[in-house]
Amino acid sequence: DAKTTQPPSMDCAEGRAANLPCNHSTISGNEYVYWYRQIHSQGPQYIIHGLKNNETNEMASLIITEDRKSSTLILPHATLRDTAVYYCIGPRGSARQLTFGSGTQLTVLP
Amino acid sequence: ETGVTQSPTHLIKTRGQQVTLRCSSQSGHNTVSWYQQALGQGPQFIFQYYREEENGRGNFPPRFSGLQFPNYSSELNVNALELDDSALYLCASSRAQETQYFGPGTRLLVL
Repeated sequence: DAKTTQPPSMDCAEGRAANLPCNHSTISGNEYVYWYRQIHSQGPQYIIHGLKNNETNEMASLIITEDRKSSTLILPHATLRDTAVYYCIGPRGSARQLTFGSGTQLTVLP
Repeated sequence: ETGVTQSPTHLIKTRGQQVTLRCSSQSGHNTVSWYQQALGQGPQFIFQYYREEENGRGNFPPRFSGLQFPNYSSELNVNALELDDSALYLCASSRAQETQYFGPGTRLLVL
């Protein structure tokens, strides 16, 4: 499996940018990196995904290093509602199943 | 909201019983994946259905079985419930192997 490594927790001040790192050194050349988040007891929410180039949508930006061994999810203006566990995932297998690790608990502070 | 719905939202069963959970996929999606999330852990992949056929299975025993219907909705069946089956059960729908969108989950408690 494409093992990912994320810090267990991070804090961010409300209104500031939250930068969440992920190491995925075993990801292969044609595998996407997906980011999801899960607010307590709810279903995971898709945020963004990318392959090589940086990506941006209405929720976040994704910066992928040129060697594809790591990426950073950026929430440009964090709000209290962004407090959640953030997962970086490389789907694998015939079903492209999502293998969730421990993720990063992001706490946005007022 | 993702358009993926699950029922029921909560249920309580006793050990040894059987349970059926249901998932309606988002419009236009033909693939449903099921995950189990124990308290304090990340979701674990159970299996996936694509066009009514099982298309990949995680490390779960045969008493976990599923079904997908022609309208692409899906059921997860668990026989001979054990205490450790208590968890949040999540389904996710997608178009083939594209992005998976999750429903709100069904919280199962086995006593």
